[in-house]
Amino acid sequence: SYVLTQPPSVSAAPGQTARITCGGNNIGSKSVHWYQQKPGQAPAVVVYDDSDRPSGIPARFSGSNSGNTATLTISRVEAGDEADYYCQVWDSSGDHPWVFGGGTKLAVL
Amino acid sequence: QVQLVQSGAEVKKPGASVKVSCKASGNTFTGFYMHWVRQAPGQGLEWMGWINPNSGGTNYAQNFQGRVTMTRDTSISTAYMELSRLKSDDTAFYYCARGSTVARVPFDPWGQGTLVTVSS
Repeated sequence: SYVLTQPPSVSAAPGQTARITCGGNNIGSKSVHWYQQKPGQAPAVVVYDDSDRPSGIPARFSGSNSGNTATLTISRVEAGDEADYYCQVWDSSGDHPWVFGGGTKLAVL
Repeated sequence: QVQLVQSGAEVKKPGASVKVSCKASGNTFTGFYMHWVRQAPGQGLEWMGWINPNSGGTNYAQNFQGRVTMTRDTSISTAYMELSRLKSDDTAFYYCARGSTVARVPFDPWGQGTLVTVSS
């Protein structure tokens, strides 16, 4: 089945830029969604279809996808951005058509 | 704005079954698929399957086939996920989430989650 690889943790100081990667075989050919999960809460989408943002998500959140890596970029990081972030794709070839990455903990220093 | 409200926490013994409900507000229940995702304590997200509320058709992840049953009651806009032959490692939060079978459509929104604890 398709595997998505994320770093366990990423850190950034307030005001800096955080980049969270999601690696997968030819992931650039797939549509990637990103979810934010704060402690005690359900996940919520912050970027979908590689680079689109749902209404209400600030423009500080952006996404890109090419080759074997998709990236969620959070500009001007704020304390409230501290959370776990998960990437997700749909893979038609496997028995788990919807696949999540292992998640990345963003620590705001 | 669609909201998904799930049933409360459950404690079950090994070998038992649990049935979690997910009620959708608004009148769009049959217009989307309902997915179920679980998350063990401190772990990542695992997709379990989906149900098409319109037809009742289902697609289960191979890991859960034979143990999971997803159903719906369109009259009350509610989806159900039943997991049988529970084991201790089924202890997890179970989430419903509205979505699709189209790759570009994300899971949105999600229910608040239901904690299922399996313990003797």
